[in-house]
Formats: sequence, C-alpha cells, structure tokens
Amino acid sequence: NAGVTQTPKFQVLKTGQSMTLQCAQDMNHNSMYWYRQDPGMGLRLIYYSASEGTTDKGEVPNGYNVSRLNKREFSLRLESAAPSQTSVYFCASQWGGQGNQPQHFGDGTRLSIL
Amino acid sequence: AQSVAQPEDQVNVAEGNPLTVKCTYSVSGNPYLFWYVQYPNRGLQFLLKYITGDNLVKGSYGFEAEFNKSQTSFHLKKPSALVSDSALYFCAVRDPPDSGYALNFGKGTSLLVTP
Repeated sequence: NAGVTQTPKFQVLKTGQSMTLQCAQDMNHNSMYWYRQDPGMGLRLIYYSASEGTTDKGEVPNGYNVSRLNKREFSLRLESAAPSQTSVYFCASQWGGQGNQPQHFGDGTRLSIL
Repeated sequence: AQSVAQPEDQVNVAEGNPLTVKCTYSVSGNPYLFWYVQYPNRGLQFLLKYITGDNLVKGSYGFEAEFNKSQTSFHLKKPSALVSDSALYFCAVRDPPDSGYALNFGKGTSLLVTP
C-alpha cells in the first residue's frame, strides 16, 4: 500500500529554471494538497484540489501553478524558480466528505534553488 | 481565520517520564483538531484527532490528547516517554469546507527524549 508518492525526492535547481513536482495517491481520495515546510514556520498551504477538475489557491500560491491531472495525480510547477522557493514540499490527500478524516502525506521533495 | 499555536519550540523529557506538548487554538465555530508527528526526512504521520465527543482522545503509539474548550487547548500527552518518541510534533486545525478542508499547522515542537 503505497499511499502518497512524491517524485523526485531531492532536486537542485538554478534560479530561473522550471520544474514540476509530481504527486500520486492510490487511496481513491477526492482532495489533494500541496504544502511547503520551512524551518520554524510549520507547513503552509500552496494550492489545493477539493475534487478532480478543481484547483484553488492557498496561503502562499505566488510563483506556483498546479494541475489535477486525474483523481490520482496532482502536480506542482515552478515556472521560474527563485531562491525563496528553497523548501521541502509535501503533497497530501484526504477522502473529503465532511473534513473529519485525516490527511495522508508523502515523504516530501527537498528542493534547493541556487 | 482558524489557527493554532504551539508555544514551545522544544520539549525535553527523560525516558519513562510523562510528556506534554502544548497546543492552543483559535477558531470560529467548533474545531476539528489534529496531531501529527514527523521523523527526520519523512512526511507527517497522523497521530490522533478531535472532532466531537469525549474530551480525551486516544491515538497511535500510546499518545492521547485532551481537548479543553474553556482554555481553547488541545495538549498532546503520553504517560511514559520513549527515546523513539523523539521527533517533531505538529498541531493542526481544519479549515472550513469553502477552503477545501485544508489544515492550518502550528510551527511545530521538537520533542527530545533522553535515556
């Protein structure tokens, strides 16, 4: 049972480069989320997808785009990477419903931008 | 806006002693509260949740949490700490449905259990 799978696990980029972080879940969950984790700041929501075909901005969406490719997959794209986007990125999924179920997290993508 | 606060950056406890990791919340309406644990280079793992009902919630790995409405707190507890409990702990509160039920996290508390 894989749960939530994120690729790649590590990546180093140069300023201005672009890349896409991939996330897939095999739990048939409706909702998916992208968070970033920075030291001393907890996790902050970048974008979310409440259901297949919908996406919405979270707390810190600037510099990012997302695609809900299908029910399983939710990708995060950095169009022109900046050093301020150096962070650990977590994807999460949740069954949805009435919000009383926990979110399940992947192991993260550690992204460094030089 | 829904928010939680974790007032301690780090908690140190000796193995075998009880531990408490503090969390206070600020919400409009009834809170949906969660605790997660993060081990190095791993994602967050769900420990327990409070939705409604009994104020004492039991979760994974012997952890429990006490919901206190009058003090707006949701402290994580364990009667006897293990060295393997050393990790980063996050309290979180669920956003409303029009925000996709996302989680708002505290800044985290690092727990160090010494032998």
